[in-house]
Amino acid sequence: EIVMTQSPATLSVSPGERATLSCRASQSVSISLAWYQQKPGQAPRLLIYGASTRATGIPGRFSGSGSGTEFTLTISGLQSEDFAIYYCQQYNNWPLAFGQGTRLEIK
Amino acid sequence: QVQLQESGPGLVKPSETLSLTCTVSGDSINGYYWSWIRQPPGKGPEWIGYIHYSGSTTYNPSLKSRVTISVDTSKTQFSLRLNSVTATDTAVYYCAGGQQWLSFDSWGQGNLVTVSS
Repeated sequence: EIVMTQSPATLSVSPGERATLSCRASQSVSISLAWYQQKPGQAPRLLIYGASTRATGIPGRFSGSGSGTEFTLTISGLQSEDFAIYYCQQYNNWPLAFGQGTRLEIK
Repeated sequence: QVQLQESGPGLVKPSETLSLTCTVSGDSINGYYWSWIRQPPGKGPEWIGYIHYSGSTTYNPSLKSRVTISVDTSKTQFSLRLNSVTATDTAVYYCAGGQQWLSFDSWGQGNLVTVSS
């Protein structure tokens, strides 16, 4: 079973700046990695799949990179609506697995 | 974009069976990869299991002995049954699907299920 570890648990960033979130897999997942954004009381929203492909309708300020065991989600020019919890998810092996999340908060 | 709607009870007694249904609208059930996912309060999501429209399934080993997922293509629905529930099964249960293999671009609104007597 693959374990997904996200860091940091909480990230404080000012609006307009850049946020960098990390996700590590306990073994290689190739590029079978997705990122989600979740706001209180809402379902997760797919941002990135295939480690770096933006989902439909996702703004260009969201970008994903990485392969194997190390992945990064970068959000450039943070806007107020970007402050939320972010999860990574691997889908290279059964069982599918999510990370524990990174809370992005306003500094 | 496809729309998903979960339905089912919000309260289940310990040792009983949790049953939820997800109704798919707006697109064919055949074009997506479907899963059930749950999220305990304050925690990250946990994948429960996957079903193909043909009926083939894959379950999380941590829940496999208690889970059944089924599909009814004529009703454009897929369902979850989780038996012998305990308080640790309390969570928001989501049905989700995607057109890309096992990443989820469509989610239901979530159904909070509380296990309590």
